[in-house]
Order: sequence, then C-alpha cells, then structure tokens
Amino acid sequence: QVYLVESGENLVQPGRSLRLSCAASVVSGINLVSHGVQWVRHVPGKGLEWVGLVWSLDNRGHCAESLRGRCTIFKDYNERTVVLELNNVRDEDTAIYYCARDMWAGDFRYFDVWGRGTLVTVST
Amino acid sequence: EVVLTQSPGTLSLSPGETGSLSCRASQYVNGWLLNWYQLKPGQAPRLLIYGASVRATGIPDRFRGSGSGSDFTLTISRLEPEDSAVYSCQFYGTSSFAFGPGTKVEIK
Repeated sequence: QVYLVESGENLVQPGRSLRLSCAASVVSGINLVSHGVQWVRHVPGKGLEWVGLVWSLDNRGHCAESLRGRCTIFKDYNERTVVLELNNVRDEDTAIYYCARDMWAGDFRYFDVWGRGTLVTVST
Repeated sequence: EVVLTQSPGTLSLSPGETGSLSCRASQYVNGWLLNWYQLKPGQAPRLLIYGASVRATGIPDRFRGSGSGSDFTLTISRLEPEDSAVYSCQFYGTSSFAFGPGTKVEIK
C-alpha cells in the first residue's frame, strides 16, 4: 500500500524555485498535518540525504544546514499537506524526493511511513 | 555531528545464505535512535528495524538488528531474491538525521 504521495514539479530550471507537496492517501487514514513529517532526498548511487522536517505539534520547519536559507517546510492545514519549497535550485538538487512520517514511540524515533518519491530534475 | 559509514558497499550472496551489514557511527550513539531502512527502485523506502534491534511491523524474523555504542549490524538470514535492495542505516539526532551511504545487496 502507498500511504504518502509526493507531488510537484518534475523539471525545474536552475535558479528557479521548487515546490513539492506531501499528502496522505485516503486509504491510509493518516491525518498528515497532525504528525511530524520529514523530507529526504536520494541521488541514485549515493546515500539518502536528510532535507528537513516540520514538527508534529506546530508548524515549525527545520532544514538541513546545507540547505538553510533556500529551504522552507510547512504544513498546509487547508489542503492537509506538507510543503517543501526550495529556492534558487542547482544541478545538485536533482534527486528523488521522499516524504515520510516522523514517529515517536516511547524512547524510539524513526520514519515509519514513506511515499514512493518524486523525481526532480534541475535542468534548462 | 554524527557520520555513519556502512560496509561492505556491495554484498553479493546466493539465496539461502546469510548476509551481515555493518553500520559504524563516528561517535557513540544511543541505540534507541539507530534505524535501518530498505530501499528498492520505484518503491517507498521501508522501515525494517528501529531502536537498533526492534523489527518494524510486518518485517520477517529473517531480519535481525544488533549492536550498541558505535557499532551496529543488520543480519539477513535465509536470503530470498526479494531481499535484493539497498540497506541504509540512520541515526535520529536532535537536529539532524544522518543516513549511511548504504549497502547494496545483490542476490546471485
């Protein structure tokens, strides 16, 4: 089953902005905006790279140090989605972007439900 | 900042064999925050192990996580063709969430 679905532009020109959304599928029964949500990206052949997250209890977004200043993450309560915006995109932002639910269970912390990802290509 | 290294880079095994995947942290980490994921092309990444040794829901007991401190292992027993994937460890930090570079498991 697919519980989270990423969507947004697949082709972005260098220097422009990228906006991706993460939504929970109807069958999942997940109210995404009541959870923390993480964004992770993957360049095939390389390791996963953490992009950022928005916390469960509020709408505070927090981005990886390498993306700070270009990255914004927030919850859209009307659409029940979590949005990733990346400004001034570069070639190295080309990757598969995943969203995942952030889970706290007692002392454990992990990303328990993921989307299939969406490929973003930065190119003219 | 915690940096994770994984070895080997690629593991090529036959069905039925057992594979051991290593994840080493650059410093001591709390094992409760060490997780393993399985990545396959075109699919959602799957949580296998959390807290270093707890199998996630629906994960068969062929997958076993162990370790503590800075040294962790994912062991896959009785390998099946469907286990062909990249396996990534992760440390859930307070403000960053490091992933290892991954180990690719190939089934001959």
